[in-house]
Amino acid sequence: TQLLEQSPQFLSIQEGENLTVYCNSSSVFSSLQWYRQEPGEGPVLLVTVVTGGEVKKLKRLTFQFGDARKDSSLHITAAQPGDTGLYLCADNNNAGNMLTFGGGTRLMVKP
Amino acid sequence: KAGVTQTPRYLIKTRGQQVTLSCSPISGHRSVSWYQQTPGQGLQFLFEYFSETQRNKGNFPGRFSGRQFSNSRSEMNVSTLELGDSALYLCASSPGLAGDSGETQYFGPGTRLLVL
Repeated sequence: TQLLEQSPQFLSIQEGENLTVYCNSSSVFSSLQWYRQEPGEGPVLLVTVVTGGEVKKLKRLTFQFGDARKDSSLHITAAQPGDTGLYLCADNNNAGNMLTFGGGTRLMVKP
Repeated sequence: KAGVTQTPRYLIKTRGQQVTLSCSPISGHRSVSWYQQTPGQGLQFLFEYFSETQRNKGNFPGRFSGRQFSNSRSEMNVSTLELGDSALYLCASSPGLAGDSGETQYFGPGTRLLVL
């Protein structure tokens, strides 16, 4: 059974600070996805990465996928209150749509 | 295009009762997956339906069941409710191309179930 560990579990920072959150898997990812979930909503997909060493940028968010495809990081530059939420990594590791999620990093950005 | 809708949004039940939750996928999507989200266990996969057939199943007891209709709408049922079933139940839809992994899944807002 694949286990995804995310760190830190909680993060509280001031607006304008930078931060990095991590996701580590007990086995090689098939297809790594990062989601953000806001209170009262379902998770929303931010990015999908497949290739080891891949780096993707989405405005102030930078996603890195480890060469061995077992770890990933999400870096946010100049965080804003709108970035507040639960950040989840997930692997889609089966034919069909069965996502395995990490426990998440709960981020709070204070104005 | 309308997003994934789930009804009801909130539900309170007592132990031993049963509950049915409903999910309407994005128009044209044929795959519907269900997840349970709790503070202790996080987000866990329950099952996936594609073209009215269960395609994948997570590690949950038989009290949790589901079905999908010909219009791709899906329901999940939990019988003999336990306190530990209190959770946010999320459904997600995707086009469901057969054999395709890594599809984007679009989540609904969830149904929050409280079991007393």
